Amino acid sequence: SQQGEEDPQALSIQEGENATMNCSYKTSINNLQWYRQNSGRGLVHLILIRSNEREKHSGRLRVTLDTSKKSSSLLITASRAADTASYFCATDETNNNDMRFGAGTRLTVKP
Amino acid sequence: DSGVTQTPKHLITATGQRVTLRCSPRSGDLSVYWYQQSLDQGLQFLIQYYNGEERAKGNILERFSAQQFPDLHSELNLSSLELGDSALYFCASSSSGATGELFFGEGSRLTVL
Repeated sequence: SQQGEEDPQALSIQEGENATMNCSYKTSINNLQWYRQNSGRGLVHLILIRSNEREKHSGRLRVTLDTSKKSSSLLITASRAADTASYFCATDETNNNDMRFGAGTRLTVKP
Repeated sequence: DSGVTQTPKHLITATGQRVTLRCSPRSGDLSVYWYQQSLDQGLQFLIQYYNGEERAKGNILERFSAQQFPDLHSELNLSSLELGDSALYFCASSSSGATGELFFGEGSRLTVL
């Protein structure tokens, strides 16, 4: 079964706007990761945030983690058409050795 | 290029048949994960191997099996194929058994007719 659930399922914005995607999960985690997938391609790792971290930045990406609410958000600032892709959160559960992915948010950035 | 190689890239077969998907992890990576992605869906975790041993099992059907060989490459065997098995099958690798960053291959697209 999937662990994370992203929302919204789809998001369409104009170039230059910010995009925010959310992820909720159900169990205790060691870390949470965000990945990007261009249509039909392999996933690419974007950022990892550990359970004892609350916020992390990488370039135009900002990730927050609220373990009390079991939720995370990914913010992409100043979006570009090239950011068009699906974005997935993945959780490393405390009691499992696997990585569970959510259903993803499909982001479309219009030029 | 993630360094993870999956073959074949595309595969078309008939119901009832058996196929084998192959994955070569990044050099030095000991963990291999297999995922199934149906059309426009999320990734379903199938199975994980670490240094030749099964480490975790997800939603893998009994018709499916996998193994990791001493040279660390892995194979996913799908048998008695059904139409619903049509999907992208991804392999990912990581350097350790504890889950950090996963490096994904480009996937094997299986079409069952």
